[in-house]
Amino acid sequence: GESVGLHLPTLSVQEGDNSIINCAYSNSASDYFIWYKQESGKGPQFIIDIRSNMDKRQGQRVTVLLNKTVKHLSLQIAATQPGDSAVYFCADFSGGYNKLIFGAGTRLAVHP
Amino acid sequence: DAGVIQSPRHEVTEMGQEVTLRCKPISGHNSLFWYRQTMMRGLELLIYFNNNVPIDDSGMPEDRFSAKMPNASFSTLKIQPSEPRDSAVYFCASSLWGLEAFFGQGTRLTVV
Repeated sequence: GESVGLHLPTLSVQEGDNSIINCAYSNSASDYFIWYKQESGKGPQFIIDIRSNMDKRQGQRVTVLLNKTVKHLSLQIAATQPGDSAVYFCADFSGGYNKLIFGAGTRLAVHP
Repeated sequence: DAGVIQSPRHEVTEMGQEVTLRCKPISGHNSLFWYRQTMMRGLELLIYFNNNVPIDDSGMPEDRFSAKMPNASFSTLKIQPSEPRDSAVYFCASSLWGLEAFFGQGTRLTVV
C-alpha cells in the first residue's frame, strides 16, 4: 500500500547514525502504544509496543520511550541502515474502546 | 501461519459496480480491523470486530460500505455502489484483543 505522501514529515539521516522519530497522541486514556513500519507496497509491520505502565522498552536496535505527562512517544533506531527507510507510524489503543488509531506517520530516509 | 491474507491484491472496477474485499485473519486472533489508506487521510479505521461481532463502525464513511464477519476465519468489506473517491488501499489487520495487530498486504482499489 502506498503510504501517506506529499505532506508527511521526513527525517533524513546518514547510514550508521541514530534516528529518533517522534509522535504525539491526544487520548489521555490510551494505555497501549505500537510503532509500525510501512515500506512501499506493503502493509504496516509491527516493530515494538509499550504499555502505559512503562516509560521505556527496548528491542533489537529499537527503543521506544513514553512520556505520559506530555503525551509523547518516540522511537529510536540505533545505527540506522538503508533497509530502515520507510514510513513509521505510531498507533495508540484505548483498551476500553478497543480501537487502534494511527498517527499521520513520518518518512525516514536513510542516505549512504 | 501465513499471516493475514487479503484478496484480491488489486481491483479495478467501474463506478457503480459492487466491490467485495476479503480477509482471512491469523488463526486464533479474535480482533479484526479494516483500515483505508489514502494520501490525504492516512490510515483510517473503518470498522473493527471482536469475536466476530462488529464493535465500532463509526469510521465507515457511508451506507455504501458494509462489513461482515460470518466466522472467525473470514471477513468481507463491501462497497455498493462504488465511486471514484473510494479509490484507496484497504488493509485488514487481526490481533488478540487488539494488541500487536498484524496487517495484510492490502487491496489496492481503483474505481474509474
